[in-house]
Amino acid sequence: ETGVTQTPRHLVMGMTNKKSLKCEQHLGHNAMYWYKQSAKKPLELMFVYNFKEQTENNSVPSRFSPECPNSSHLFLHLHTLQPEDSALYLCASSHRTSGRAETGELFFGEGSRLTVL
Amino acid sequence: KNQVEQSPQSLIILEGKNCTLQCNYTVSPFSNLRWYKQDTGRGPVSLTIMTFSENTKSNGRYTATLDADTKQSSLHITASQLSDSASYICVVKREGGSYIPTFGRGTSLIVHP
Repeated sequence: ETGVTQTPRHLVMGMTNKKSLKCEQHLGHNAMYWYKQSAKKPLELMFVYNFKEQTENNSVPSRFSPECPNSSHLFLHLHTLQPEDSALYLCASSHRTSGRAETGELFFGEGSRLTVL
Repeated sequence: KNQVEQSPQSLIILEGKNCTLQCNYTVSPFSNLRWYKQDTGRGPVSLTIMTFSENTKSNGRYTATLDADTKQSSLHITASQLSDSASYICVVKREGGSYIPTFGRGTSLIVHP
């Protein structure tokens, strides 16, 4: 148990559906992340929220829409996805500090396995 | 360009044997390097962190080394167990600038009985 919970664990959706992935962290962290993991590729950073403010949008298509209502919750809204969007979507959190004290450890959830038909 | 390269891409060993995974990086300036273990269908979990001044660090049967001069790290697994079957990911954090770390592709390890 890492303290980061993702739901649903598995999701199958058609290209015209609208769905959402949810992430909740119980670690008191102040930064949350969405990563995409495809087979044989490094984890790809999608979005970063630092103190609820989006600080990174890594050229992600607009069919992915993040939402961070507070520092403990993160959503990824999905709309008109493509089959190539099928992947494992990982949420992570970390505790951001200033300067050298920050170690950068990311705490990941179990992931949401998305299949787009 | 900041990169992290891992080798081998995949590895199959027999239970009880030792193995070593490699990580080369170009991330600069260097802050720290982590090895994560990712079981199938799970999220990655940090095994160990190496900072600039550390050469070797152990976590049970896992021993990580760091050569900051050659920008290389290794993860040595002793007396492998079936539960060691997983993907091992090398992640390097840059000093200053972006706090977002750089991930390697990972090494897929399979331990057979």
